[in-house]
Amino acid sequence: ILNVEQSPQSLHVQEGDSTNFTCSFPSSNFYALHWYRWETAKSPEALFVMTLNGDEKKKGRISATLNTKEGYSYLYIKGSQPEDSATYLCAFNGGNQFYFGTGTSLTVIP
Amino acid sequence: KAGVTQTPRYLIKTRGQQVTLSCSPISGHRSVSWYQQTPGQGLQFLFEYFSETQRNKGNFPGRFSGRQFSNSRSEMNVSTLELGDSALYLCASSLVQGDNSPLHFGNGTRLTVT
Repeated sequence: ILNVEQSPQSLHVQEGDSTNFTCSFPSSNFYALHWYRWETAKSPEALFVMTLNGDEKKKGRISATLNTKEGYSYLYIKGSQPEDSATYLCAFNGGNQFYFGTGTSLTVIP
Repeated sequence: KAGVTQTPRYLIKTRGQQVTLSCSPISGHRSVSWYQQTPGQGLQFLFEYFSETQRNKGNFPGRFSGRQFSNSRSEMNVSTLELGDSALYLCASSLVQGDNSPLHFGNGTRLTVT
């Protein structure tokens, strides 16, 4: 069984704070690393698909980096807003299926 | 473009019964995968279908089965339901599995087994 770990499990930040979370995955048989945002009562929504070591992706105030050699990815949120409150999931694609972490639950306090 | 549609949204079944869940992917998407989420667990992969063929299967008992139709719609069946099958079941579609296109998820079916 393949392990994808996310930390921290949950996070409470003040509006305007910047924050980051970690996704750890196996460094072998790497195809891709996905990040998803899952808001309450909605379906998970894709943020980034990362495929190459050293990849950096950015979407507005959210960005992500990838290190496939050591098996981790960071997600950064700059200037958190209440609408950023959600669970952030990472998913490791080992070639034949996706392995999801348990997510980081972010609450942004106005 | 319509999103991924899952029906029904909620289901209550009794132990021993069977259940069928349905998933209609985004038009043009040929890969459909299914996931189970229980409290405290990440999304657990059940199976993935592409062009009516099951290409990959997760570590679930044979009571869990699925199929895909020629229009890419997919169904998942769970027979002889157990209390532990209570979960949120999500399906996701993508253009082609393995090309690193993102997964597009439905809103899920919440199954409660009593």
